[in-house]
Amino acid sequence: KQEVTQIPAALSVPEGENLVLNCSFTDSAIYNLQWFRQDPGKGLTSLLLIQSSQREQTSGRLNASLDKSSGRSTLYIAASQPGDSATYLCAVSNQAGTALIFGKGTTLSVSS
Amino acid sequence: GAGVSQSPSNKVTEKGKDVELRCDPISGHTALYWYRQSLGQGLEFLIYFQGNSAPDKSGLPSDRFSAERTGGSVSTLTIQRTQQEDSAVYLCASSLGTENEQFFGPGTRLTVL
Repeated sequence: KQEVTQIPAALSVPEGENLVLNCSFTDSAIYNLQWFRQDPGKGLTSLLLIQSSQREQTSGRLNASLDKSSGRSTLYIAASQPGDSATYLCAVSNQAGTALIFGKGTTLSVSS
Repeated sequence: GAGVSQSPSNKVTEKGKDVELRCDPISGHTALYWYRQSLGQGLEFLIYFQGNSAPDKSGLPSDRFSAERTGGSVSTLTIQRTQQEDSAVYLCASSLGTENEQFFGPGTRLTVL
């Protein structure tokens, strides 16, 4: 059974720092991997999608990498801002592509 | 519409009652997913629809849960004889296809008293 783990569970940083969020998964037979952010009481906002054949994706200050063979992904946030404060969720798609399996998330707090 | 919409945004019901939750996916998206998010379990997959194919119901927790998708667009998730453990936020997502990015709606918060 696929399990997704995110470390750390919570992270507090001062504004301007670069930071890395980690995600690991137990079964490398994935279709793709997606990173989301969730603000309190809100739904999920998609940040980046990495197909299983890709190594990384970039969007603005965000860069996500994927090492499928080792079951790891990282989300790099450059020059963090208070508006980046949210819970970040990593999700891997099962091999059929019919479902996402989520980690428990990393709650990020960026102080000004 | 601009995004995935869900209704109602909040639903309070009594134990034993049936509830229906609605999802309107992004126009043109053929794949539709239901998930639920609860404090103890995190985000869990419930059911997946793709076009006219048979749905993947492998995530439904019991036979009290069912879902349908009419005309390849709107979907309804029905929970019969609700229990307190059904209290959660129910999220719907859609995508162009199974290999594409999933976009989520704002969710329906269900509280069973």
